[in-house]
Amino acid sequence: DQQVKQNSPSLSVQEGRISILNCDYTNSMFDYFLWYKKYPAEGPTFLISISSIKDKNEDGRFTVFLNKSAKHLSLHIVPSQPGDSAVYFCAASNTGGFKTIFGAGTRLFVKA
Amino acid sequence: DSGVTQTPKHLITATGQRVTLRCSPRSGDLSVYWYQQSLDQGLQFLIQYYNGEERAKGNILERFSAQQFPDLHSELNLSSLELGDSALYFCASSLQGHNEKLFFGSGTQLSVL
Repeated sequence: DQQVKQNSPSLSVQEGRISILNCDYTNSMFDYFLWYKKYPAEGPTFLISISSIKDKNEDGRFTVFLNKSAKHLSLHIVPSQPGDSAVYFCAASNTGGFKTIFGAGTRLFVKA
Repeated sequence: DSGVTQTPKHLITATGQRVTLRCSPRSGDLSVYWYQQSLDQGLQFLIQYYNGEERAKGNILERFSAQQFPDLHSELNLSSLELGDSALYFCASSLQGHNEKLFFGSGTQLSVL
């Protein structure tokens, strides 16, 4: 049972434009959400997170939006840069649950 | 550098064999997680330990086992290996073990031939 879903395996964006990566979850108990970035031959690295008490969190060029009623979150990257080309994983956890569940990832290509 | 060390980086073995993957968490982190990433798949949660105790279990096969030692390093043991066990195995660590960011090692690439 895939509790965290990233339905787009890949996304291609022009440099300077906005990249929007989407993630859906099914478990309403999740109350903490994270995005990770992964380059080839490296482990995932933390990018940004959001608690369920918020609907938006911003860090530089990266903004995460959370829509709890739709069980949906998105990561916006503005402006996109070629160095942003990587696989992006959405993840979710819940207080007391101790597991952090990851989606399948979306491969982002930013074209110069 | 995340501070999480995984050894070995690569492991090639045959079906039916047993291997041990090792992970040293970031200094100060009490919780260790193991994830499996098969070809073009997401990160599948296997198991989590906190301060030596098993905290949560995911889709970990009975042929797989793990432990966290008093010095907080962890080992993942994979036995009776099958071709389908070929994957990238990641270890991650965090301070407390819930609702916080994880720091990942660079992974162990296991190839079962």
